[in-house]
Amino acid sequence: GENVEQHPSTLSVQEGDSAVIKCTYSDSASNYFPWYKQELGKGPQLIIDIRSNVGEKKDQRIAVTLNKTAKHFSLHITETQPEDSAVYFCAATESAHTASKLTFGTGTRLQVTL
Amino acid sequence: DVKVTQSSRYLVKRTGEKVFLECVQDMDHENMFWYRQDPGLGLRLIYFSYDVKMKEKGDIPEGYSVSREKKERFSLILESASTNQTSMYLCASRPAGASGQYFGPGTRLTVT
Repeated sequence: GENVEQHPSTLSVQEGDSAVIKCTYSDSASNYFPWYKQELGKGPQLIIDIRSNVGEKKDQRIAVTLNKTAKHFSLHITETQPEDSAVYFCAATESAHTASKLTFGTGTRLQVTL
Repeated sequence: DVKVTQSSRYLVKRTGEKVFLECVQDMDHENMFWYRQDPGLGLRLIYFSYDVKMKEKGDIPEGYSVSREKKERFSLILESASTNQTSMYLCASRPAGASGQYFGPGTRLTVT
């Protein structure tokens, strides 16, 4: 089955700096890669996703890149703000449209300091 | 807005008790999921359901069962709770043909 590795486990950046979280996956059949943000006391929330037919996707201050050959994808947050502090999870699955299973990474705790 | 609700935020049970965790979604989603979240292990899928009365095992189904009698409700059952089932339990739903899952706030279960 799919295995997703996520690094780093913790990340501390100063407000205004950029943050990068990296994930690798094992199953070359995976074609959908979402990212979730989990704030304290809440369930994870989908913030951005990418499908294997594109290499990069942006949404305001966040972007995700995908390298299918190397089987890795990354989350980039620019101009970080204190409200970006949370735990971030990457995930991978073979298909976005069936009752397929997401395999999650182990999470990255991002702390944005003033 | 999609809303996924879970019956309890915090629950304390004794070893050997039968435990029911309830999840309700209000957006007519076909797919529903139960995960457990443990530090350093991320989210692990216990069971999922893609239709009423249908269920599929996830990665860690041992010690758990599920019930989906109505489309909006997905229940997780611990037949005989054990201390190693102390965890955060997250329910999620997703409509058919879509990508993102919507999570509930979670139930932190402690088994003593």
